[in-house]
Amino acid sequence: GAVVSQHPSRVICKSGTSVKIECRSLDFQATTMFWYRQFPKQSLMLMATSNEGSKATYEQGVEKDKFLINHASLTLSTLTVTSAHPEDSSFYICSARTSGGEYNEQFFGPGTRLTVL
Amino acid sequence: AQSVAQPEDQVNVAEGNPLTVKCTYSVSGNPYLFWYVQYPNRGLQFLLKYITGDNLVKGSYGFEAEFNKSQTSFHLKKPSALVSDSALYFCAVRDGGTGRRALTFGSGTRLQVQP
Repeated sequence: GAVVSQHPSRVICKSGTSVKIECRSLDFQATTMFWYRQFPKQSLMLMATSNEGSKATYEQGVEKDKFLINHASLTLSTLTVTSAHPEDSSFYICSARTSGGEYNEQFFGPGTRLTVL
Repeated sequence: AQSVAQPEDQVNVAEGNPLTVKCTYSVSGNPYLFWYVQYPNRGLQFLLKYITGDNLVKGSYGFEAEFNKSQTSFHLKKPSALVSDSALYFCAVRDGGTGRRALTFGSGTRLQVQP
C-alpha cells in the first residue's frame, strides 16, 4: 500500500510554544488529508479534513485557531498546535487519501506523540 | 451520520484458540468497513476491508472478517490466536455514498492472547 510519513515522531515542548507536525504522502498524491487525535487508551477522533489548496474543515469542538492546518501541496499537510498546553498532549495521526483509486482508501501515518510540559 | 460500536473493551483468549472481536456499524448508505491494528506507540496497520462482493473477507496475518448486512456487523476473526496478536484493534466505517467523508473509528478492543 501507499506510504504516509509523519515528522517528528515525538516532540516535547514547553507550555505556550507552538509545534508543527508534518504529514507527507511519499508515493502518491493526496488530494485529501485527515488529522486525528488519540488520547491514551481511547479511539481516534477526527479533528479536521483538508483538501489541497482549500481551507480545512474542522470537526465540532476543535478550535481552528489553535490547530492550524495547511495543505499546500498534494503531498504535504501540516498541523500546527499553537500556544500548546498540557491538555494538548496526545498522539496525533494523519491520514491521506487519493482522488483516484477504486475505493478511495485512507492510508495512515505512524503518528506523532506530543508532550507539553 | 456514520458510527461504529465495539462492545468489548478487552478480549482474552488462549494461544491456539479461535478469537472474535466484535464490531457493529451504522451508516445511511452502503458501508465501507475496515479493521486496523495498533501496537503501542505506533500508528495504524491495515488488516482488511469490505467494500463489496463476498461477505467473508480475508486479510493480513490470518485474520478474516464477515460482513453481515442484516445484523450490521463486521466481526474480526482468526482461527488460531498467537501471542503476537496481542494489540489494540479498531473497526472503522465510511459511508460509501458520501465519498468525501473520513473514516469513523470504534472505541477499540484490546486483544490479550495468553501463552
